[in-house]
Amino acid sequence: DGGITQSPKYLFRKEGQNVTLSCEQNLNHDAMYWYRQDPGQGLRLIYYSQIVNDFQKGDIAEGYSVSREKKESFPLTVTSAQKNPTAFYLCASSITFRRGAGGTGELFFGEGSRLTVL
Amino acid sequence: QKEVEQDPGPLSVPEGAIVSLNCTYSNSAFQYFMWYRQYSRKGPELLMYTYSSGNKEDGRFTAQVDKSSKYISLFIRDSQPSDSATYLCAMKGGTASKLTFGTGTRLQVTL
Repeated sequence: DGGITQSPKYLFRKEGQNVTLSCEQNLNHDAMYWYRQDPGQGLRLIYYSQIVNDFQKGDIAEGYSVSREKKESFPLTVTSAQKNPTAFYLCASSITFRRGAGGTGELFFGEGSRLTVL
Repeated sequence: QKEVEQDPGPLSVPEGAIVSLNCTYSNSAFQYFMWYRQYSRKGPELLMYTYSSGNKEDGRFTAQVDKSSKYISLFIRDSQPSDSATYLCAMKGGTASKLTFGTGTRLQVTL
């Protein structure tokens, strides 16, 4: 079945450690996104990629980094510079950027990764 | 003031009830409107999508947009326990604008 796979589902990290969240899609979508979800707040965009080897900062990119070396993969690294990293992280994709956050807003989400910093 | 306001709930209704979920917004440039459903500890899934004003129906679900009042609604008829989830509204303007999500309303349908 086509979809988006995020791993790990749960992750614990000590302060000062970097951690990488995996996101893989087999939908043949061009655009991919990382969102952060916190209680009482709407989803906030961290980074997005319209096409392979290209990515742009979203609204809250500080303390995060990404890469897009393959169409199927868009990993997110939460660095030690992120002051409040405990959150639920969601990866999403869209057929094109114009069908997604750059246009009509039709996104397909993964099941999320919950990161807890101890 | 947030651009998109959504009552967090929780909203508890008996099985079979008609549910009304709502969002208000302040940006008159919004023209694309979406409803996402998110089950506990899962990612959101796109439920309904509408462009500009009017109604759209899909089975038991009806999405309604009133741009003059800056108000959107999602109606669920004959609600089922499987409808228990958090419902997120999302909206955006033209291609250059960002996608803005509401905080979500938690719905509980009881037997």
